[in-house]
Order: sequence, then structure tokens, then C-alpha cells
Amino acid sequence: GAGVSQSPSNKVTEKGKDVELRCDPISGHTALYWYRQSLGQGLEFLIYFQGNSAPDKSGLPSDRFSAERTGGSVSTLTIQRTQQEDSAVYLCASSTPGQPYEQYFGPGTRLTVT
Amino acid sequence: AQSVTQLDSHVSVSEGTPVLLRCNYSSSYSPSLFWYVQHPNKGLQLLLKYTSAATLVKGINGFEAEFKKSETSFHLTKPSAHMSDAAEYFCVVSPQDTGRRALTFGSGTRLQVQP
Repeated sequence: GAGVSQSPSNKVTEKGKDVELRCDPISGHTALYWYRQSLGQGLEFLIYFQGNSAPDKSGLPSDRFSAERTGGSVSTLTIQRTQQEDSAVYLCASSTPGQPYEQYFGPGTRLTVT
Repeated sequence: AQSVTQLDSHVSVSEGTPVLLRCNYSSSYSPSLFWYVQHPNKGLQLLLKYTSAATLVKGINGFEAEFKKSETSFHLTKPSAHMSDAAEYFCVVSPQDTGRRALTFGSGTRLQVQP
């Protein structure tokens, strides 16, 4: 079946602009996660959704970062007033209720802030 | 808090020879452990998982890993490397708090396979 999809695959933006990254999880997966992969920091957890609520937002690095999920499906990660240190690959993953740690990842969105 | 250490940032092997990617974990509980693989410009793919059943876990593409509690290790092995195995491999541990879902990733090991 279809895996996790993310769009866009690449995004180049100017410093100070806002960006939106989209994630479409595997059908039937109620949990959705956002991670960030950068050269200096490795892979870091950002936020976790169960349904439309976010029980764990502990990884969001600043209040410029926010995320929402609607209809228990698609999620959008928004970064306001982007900074160069936001440049990274943003990965989305999803999992079923019975296997919360077996997370299936999308191909990622490569964000470059110039 | 849990942590995971991948002992080698780069490993180079010849095609047809065995692969060993080393991982040690630290936790005060019995974690779930995973290996993920990431091919260039691709997403992360789950290779295998350990969830307190059999200590020797078999995964996809001929990979396997052995959970050794006494050594707090979860090394990934493959008897014979193939060119297509060249990728980055991540050892991953589940969170201690079962209410949380954030996986902790190791820093990664880049596997190079020489012809």
C-alpha cells in the first residue's frame, strides 16, 4: 500500500519567510510524528500527534514552529520567520495504535533557508 | 534517560564479506530497539526490531541483530555484503516513559561496500 508521503520534497526559502510542510500518513495510522534531521544535530524528535491532538510537543525548538493535524490524517508543520539554522530535512512518520514505536517514515522535505 | 551510541561513524567492507555495525544502549528499563536504514536521498526504512521476545532478531535483506542485555548491545550483522547495502544505518531506542513516543536515534553509521 501507499507509504507516508510528504510535500514538497525540496523547499528553498529566504530568511524571514514562513514555510509550510505537509505530511500524509499511512491510511489507518492514528499516530503521526515529525522529526528533523540536520548535520549538526542528527535526528531529533519534534512533535507527536495522536488523532488531532498533540500530547507531546517537547521537541519543537522555538515558538516559531507549530504543527496541526486535521481529520486525523494530514498534518502541516509551519515554521514562521525562518532562520538559516532551520535548514534541515524534516521527516514525518506514522504508526498504528498497537505498535507505537514501529514508525514508518516518509521521504522527507529538504528545507534550505538562504 | 535513554541513549544509544553507535561506535563507528563509517564502516567499509568488500562485497561478499560480513558486515558488523555496533550499537550500545543505555537505559534503566527494558527498551525496544530498532535498526533503520537510510539510502541516499531516501526516507528511513525499518530493518528490524527487538521488543523483548527472541534476542536474535531477523530483519529484511538478510540483516539480523542480537540483543545482549549483559553487554547493553544490539549489534547489526549480515553474513555477506551486497553493493546495495551501502547506506546509513541508525540504531534507535524507544522512550522510557510509555506515554511518550519520541524515538532516540544514534548518530548513524555510514556503510560503504567496495566492489
